[in-house]
Amino acid sequence: DAGVIQSPRHEVTEMGQEVTLRCKPISGHNSLFWYRQTMMRGLELLIYFNNNVPIDDSGMPEDRFSAKMPNASFSTLKIQPSEPRDSAVYFCASSLATGTNEKLFFGSGTQLSVL
Amino acid sequence: GEDVEQSLFLSVREGDSSVINCTYTDSSSTYLYWYKQEPGAGLQLLTYIFSNMDMKQDQRLTVLLNKKDKHLSLRIADTQTGDSAIYFCAERDTGFQKLVFGTGTRLLVSP
Repeated sequence: DAGVIQSPRHEVTEMGQEVTLRCKPISGHNSLFWYRQTMMRGLELLIYFNNNVPIDDSGMPEDRFSAKMPNASFSTLKIQPSEPRDSAVYFCASSLATGTNEKLFFGSGTQLSVL
Repeated sequence: GEDVEQSLFLSVREGDSSVINCTYTDSSSTYLYWYKQEPGAGLQLLTYIFSNMDMKQDQRLTVLLNKKDKHLSLRIADTQTGDSAIYFCAERDTGFQKLVFGTGTRLLVSP
Protein backbone atom coordinates (compact mmCIF):
# COMPACT_ATOMS: atom_id res chain seq x y z
CA ASP A 1 0.00 0.00 0.00
CA ALA A 2 1.25 3.51 -0.80
CA GLY A 3 0.22 4.85 2.57
CA VAL A 4 -1.70 8.05 3.16
CA ILE A 5 -1.21 10.37 0.21
CA GLN A 6 -1.47 14.13 0.55
CA SER A 7 -1.28 16.82 -2.09
CA PRO A 8 0.18 19.25 -2.69
CA ARG A 9 3.40 18.83 -0.68
CA HIS A 10 3.93 22.56 -0.63
CA GLU A 11 1.50 25.40 -1.18
CA VAL A 12 2.37 29.08 -1.26
CA THR A 13 -0.50 31.50 -1.63
CA GLU A 14 -1.46 35.06 -0.95
CA MET A 15 -3.69 36.21 1.84
CA GLY A 16 -7.34 36.06 0.85
CA GLN A 17 -6.95 33.21 -1.61
CA GLU A 18 -8.75 29.90 -1.32
CA VAL A 19 -6.61 26.88 -0.46
CA THR A 20 -7.63 23.25 -0.89
CA LEU A 21 -5.62 20.42 0.63
CA ARG A 22 -6.24 16.85 -0.46
CA CYS A 23 -5.90 13.47 1.16
CA LYS A 24 -6.23 9.86 0.08
CA PRO A 25 -6.38 7.52 3.09
CA ILE A 26 -5.10 3.97 3.17
CA SER A 27 -7.51 1.64 1.42
CA GLY A 28 -9.75 -0.15 3.91
CA HIS A 29 -9.33 2.41 6.68
CA ASN A 30 -12.58 3.82 7.99
CA SER A 31 -11.36 6.84 9.97
CA LEU A 32 -9.64 9.96 8.69
CA PHE A 33 -8.08 12.79 10.68
CA TRP A 34 -6.83 16.26 9.78
CA TYR A 35 -4.10 17.71 12.00
CA ARG A 36 -2.25 21.01 11.93
CA GLN A 37 1.30 21.41 13.21
CA THR A 38 2.94 24.69 14.18
CA MET A 39 5.90 25.56 16.37
CA MET A 40 3.72 27.53 18.74
CA ARG A 41 0.79 25.14 19.17
CA GLY A 42 2.28 21.76 18.33
CA LEU A 43 0.00 19.15 16.78
CA GLU A 44 -3.68 20.06 16.82
CA LEU A 45 -6.57 17.86 15.74
CA LEU A 46 -8.84 19.86 13.46
CA ILE A 47 -11.50 17.32 12.52
CA TYR A 48 -12.01 13.61 12.12
CA PHE A 49 -14.36 11.41 10.14
CA ASN A 50 -15.61 7.92 10.73
CA ASN A 51 -17.15 6.09 7.75
CA ASN A 52 -17.09 9.42 5.86
CA VAL A 53 -19.15 11.20 8.54
CA PRO A 54 -17.63 14.09 10.51
CA ILE A 55 -17.54 13.05 14.18
CA ASP A 56 -15.70 15.87 15.91
CA ASP A 57 -14.93 19.22 14.30
CA SER A 58 -14.35 21.11 17.53
CA GLY A 59 -10.75 21.74 16.54
CA MET A 60 -11.60 23.63 13.37
CA PRO A 61 -10.37 27.14 14.14
CA GLU A 62 -13.13 29.14 12.50
CA ASP A 63 -15.67 29.22 9.72
CA ARG A 64 -12.97 29.85 7.16
CA PHE A 65 -12.04 26.19 7.53
CA SER A 66 -14.16 23.39 6.10
CA ALA A 67 -13.56 19.71 5.47
CA LYS A 68 -15.36 17.14 3.39
CA MET A 69 -15.14 13.44 2.81
CA PRO A 70 -17.35 12.59 -0.18
CA ASN A 71 -16.23 8.95 -0.25
CA ALA A 72 -14.00 6.51 1.59
CA SER A 73 -10.96 7.27 -0.54
CA PHE A 74 -10.84 11.06 -0.59
CA SER A 75 -11.01 14.06 1.71
CA THR A 76 -10.38 17.77 1.37
CA LEU A 77 -9.59 20.56 3.80
CA LYS A 78 -10.44 23.99 2.48
CA ILE A 79 -9.46 27.39 3.83
CA GLN A 80 -11.30 30.37 2.43
CA PRO A 81 -10.13 33.07 2.67
CA SER A 82 -6.64 32.15 3.83
CA GLU A 83 -4.68 34.29 6.29
CA PRO A 84 -0.96 34.39 7.19
CA ARG A 85 -1.68 32.81 10.58
CA ASP A 86 -2.92 29.70 8.75
CA SER A 87 0.67 28.97 7.71
CA ALA A 88 1.51 25.53 9.09
CA VAL A 89 2.03 21.92 8.12
CA TYR A 90 -1.27 20.13 7.65
CA PHE A 91 -1.31 16.38 8.13
CA CYS A 92 -3.89 13.85 7.15
CA ALA A 93 -3.96 10.51 8.96
CA SER A 94 -6.11 7.42 8.64
CA SER A 95 -6.82 4.38 10.76
CA LEU A 96 -8.95 1.29 10.98
CA ALA A 97 -11.14 1.94 13.99
CA THR A 98 -11.63 -1.28 15.92
CA GLY A 99 -12.97 0.19 19.12
CA THR A 100 -9.80 -0.64 21.02
CA ASN A 101 -6.33 0.10 19.72
CA GLU A 102 -6.07 3.11 17.45
CA LYS A 103 -3.00 3.18 15.21
CA LEU A 104 -2.78 6.25 13.06
CA PHE A 105 -0.92 6.33 9.78
CA PHE A 106 0.15 9.79 8.72
CA GLY A 107 0.73 11.32 5.33
CA SER A 108 3.82 13.39 4.60
CA GLY A 109 1.93 16.62 5.13
CA THR A 110 1.26 19.79 3.18
CA GLN A 111 3.46 22.76 4.03
CA LEU A 112 1.22 25.81 3.65
CA SER A 113 2.63 29.32 3.49
CA VAL A 114 0.20 32.22 3.30
CA LEU A 115 1.92 35.49 2.42
CA GLY B 1 -9.85 17.88 28.96
CA GLU B 2 -6.91 15.62 28.33
CA ASP B 3 -3.45 17.07 28.48
CA VAL B 4 -0.19 15.42 27.53
CA GLU B 5 3.11 17.06 28.40
CA GLN B 6 6.69 16.40 27.38
CA SER B 7 10.00 18.17 27.75
CA LEU B 8 10.99 20.00 24.58
CA PHE B 9 14.59 18.94 24.02
CA LEU B 10 16.98 16.11 24.78
CA SER B 11 20.56 15.87 23.66
CA VAL B 12 22.64 12.68 23.94
CA ARG B 13 25.81 11.23 22.51
CA GLU B 14 25.81 8.34 20.09
CA GLY B 15 25.87 5.03 21.91
CA ASP B 16 24.27 6.39 25.08
CA SER B 17 20.73 5.59 26.19
CA SER B 18 18.00 8.18 25.71
CA VAL B 19 15.00 8.51 27.99
CA ILE B 20 12.07 10.61 26.85
CA ASN B 21 9.40 11.33 29.41
CA CYS B 22 5.71 12.12 29.16
CA THR B 23 2.92 12.86 31.62
CA TYR B 24 -0.76 12.62 30.88
CA THR B 25 -3.95 13.49 32.70
CA ASP B 26 -6.61 11.02 31.58
CA SER B 27 -6.39 8.16 34.05
CA SER B 28 -8.83 6.10 32.01
CA SER B 29 -6.65 6.03 28.88
CA THR B 30 -6.55 2.52 27.50
CA TYR B 31 -3.60 2.79 25.13
CA LEU B 32 -0.58 5.07 25.10
CA TYR B 33 1.63 5.54 22.08
CA TRP B 34 5.00 6.79 20.96
CA TYR B 35 5.33 8.32 17.52
CA LYS B 36 8.48 9.50 15.74
CA GLN B 37 8.67 12.39 13.30
CA GLU B 38 11.70 12.80 11.08
CA PRO B 39 12.37 16.12 9.30
CA GLY B 40 9.92 16.82 6.51
CA ALA B 41 7.85 13.74 7.23
CA GLY B 42 4.67 12.74 8.98
CA LEU B 43 4.48 10.95 12.30
CA GLN B 44 5.27 7.26 12.34
CA LEU B 45 4.07 4.86 15.02
CA LEU B 46 7.01 3.48 16.99
CA THR B 47 5.36 1.47 19.71
CA TYR B 48 2.40 1.44 22.07
CA ILE B 49 1.47 0.01 25.44
CA PHE B 50 -1.81 -1.16 26.86
CA SER B 51 -2.73 0.42 30.16
CA ASN B 52 -2.68 -2.85 32.10
CA MET B 53 1.01 -3.28 31.33
CA ASP B 54 3.95 -1.74 33.18
CA MET B 55 6.59 -2.33 30.57
CA LYS B 56 6.98 -3.26 26.93
CA GLN B 57 10.22 -3.99 25.15
CA ASP B 58 10.72 -3.92 21.41
CA GLN B 59 14.34 -4.31 20.28
CA ARG B 60 16.14 -1.10 21.35
CA LEU B 61 12.94 0.47 22.65
CA THR B 62 11.59 0.08 26.18
CA VAL B 63 8.34 1.67 27.25
CA LEU B 64 7.62 2.12 30.94
CA LEU B 65 4.19 3.04 32.26
CA ASN B 66 3.47 4.26 35.78
CA LYS B 67 -0.29 4.54 35.96
CA LYS B 68 -0.30 5.85 39.50
CA ASP B 69 1.78 8.86 38.51
CA LYS B 70 0.39 8.98 34.95
CA HIS B 71 3.91 8.87 33.64
CA LEU B 72 5.11 7.26 30.43
CA SER B 73 8.69 6.96 29.26
CA LEU B 74 10.50 5.77 26.17
CA ARG B 75 14.02 4.47 26.50
CA ILE B 76 16.16 4.07 23.41
CA ALA B 77 19.21 1.91 23.97
CA ASP B 78 22.44 2.49 22.04
CA THR B 79 21.11 5.69 20.49
CA GLN B 80 22.21 6.32 16.92
CA THR B 81 22.38 9.53 14.89
CA GLY B 82 19.47 8.18 12.85
CA ASP B 83 17.34 8.35 15.99
CA SER B 84 17.49 12.15 15.86
CA ALA B 85 13.86 13.22 15.44
CA ILE B 86 10.88 14.57 17.33
CA TYR B 87 9.16 12.01 19.55
CA PHE B 88 5.51 12.39 20.47
CA CYS B 89 3.63 10.54 23.12
CA ALA B 90 -0.13 10.22 22.74
CA GLU B 91 -3.04 8.85 24.69
CA ARG B 92 -6.26 7.52 23.33
CA ASP B 93 -9.21 9.65 24.30
CA THR B 94 -11.55 7.21 25.98
CA GLY B 95 -14.60 9.27 25.08
CA PHE B 96 -13.83 9.24 21.37
CA GLN B 97 -11.45 7.44 19.09
CA LYS B 98 -9.08 10.35 18.62
CA LEU B 99 -5.54 10.50 19.97
CA VAL B 100 -4.31 13.40 22.08
CA PHE B 101 -0.67 14.18 21.34
CA GLY B 102 1.97 15.76 23.52
CA THR B 103 4.07 18.71 22.45
CA GLY B 104 6.89 16.49 21.20
CA THR B 105 10.48 16.08 22.39
CA ARG B 106 13.24 16.91 19.95
CA LEU B 107 16.04 14.36 20.34
CA LEU B 108 19.45 15.35 19.05
CA VAL B 109 22.09 12.65 18.87
CA SER B 110 25.65 13.85 18.43
CA PRO B 111 28.52 11.66 17.19
